[in-house]
Amino acid sequence: AQSVTQLGSHVSVSEGALVLLRCNYSSSVPPYLFWYVQYPNQGLQLLLKYTSAATLVKGINDFEAEFKKSETSFHLTKPSAHMSDAAEYFCAVTSSSNTGKLIFGQGTTLQVKP
Amino acid sequence: KAGVTQTPRYLIKTRGQQVTLSCSPISGHRSVSWYQQTPGQGLQFLFEYFSETQRNKGNFPGRFSGRQFSNSRSEMNVSTLELGDSALYLCASSLGGLASTDTQYFGPGTRLTVL
Repeated sequence: AQSVTQLGSHVSVSEGALVLLRCNYSSSVPPYLFWYVQYPNQGLQLLLKYTSAATLVKGINDFEAEFKKSETSFHLTKPSAHMSDAAEYFCAVTSSSNTGKLIFGQGTTLQVKP
Repeated sequence: KAGVTQTPRYLIKTRGQQVTLSCSPISGHRSVSWYQQTPGQGLQFLFEYFSETQRNKGNFPGRFSGRQFSNSRSEMNVSTLELGDSALYLCASSLGGLASTDTQYFGPGTRLTVL
């Protein structure tokens, strides 16, 4: 079975500050991991994904995440927050035996203060 | 390339009715997955279709069903609607190979309200 836990349902940062959104996964098989962002009244947009190649994954809009197997983590970071980053962020996991199915965490709402 | 489109965007139904939602995938994509998003349960996988066949299924009652057509367009149907079915229904398309690393591209969703 696979699952995802996102620590912190709400995170608030100041504009220009580091963004850190935490994701821990549980998986009995090698995981594939994703981060998606959702803006109000919109669908989900992929930020980045880990597919067992490089453990440090770079995504769009300067986001990156590092896969740490020993910690079962896949935290999302961005060096400097912009007002436009305010949205809900979802971490998701799947595996080679779970075609077409993403298992999502509960989401983290990012607030960016001016 | 046009993105994933979902129709209608908003829908209001009453308990006991049934509803059909439609999803048109990105051109060339053969896999369509459906998800339900609610404030309480978050994002939950309903089912996935590939080449007109259901390939994967989540833990939802039989009232939730779907199908896929030869042009990869997909529909999902919910019969005997309950208040708890009120949700944002998202569909996502991908190339659909056996690799689960395929990126799923999401549509804007259909907001269903059951009164």
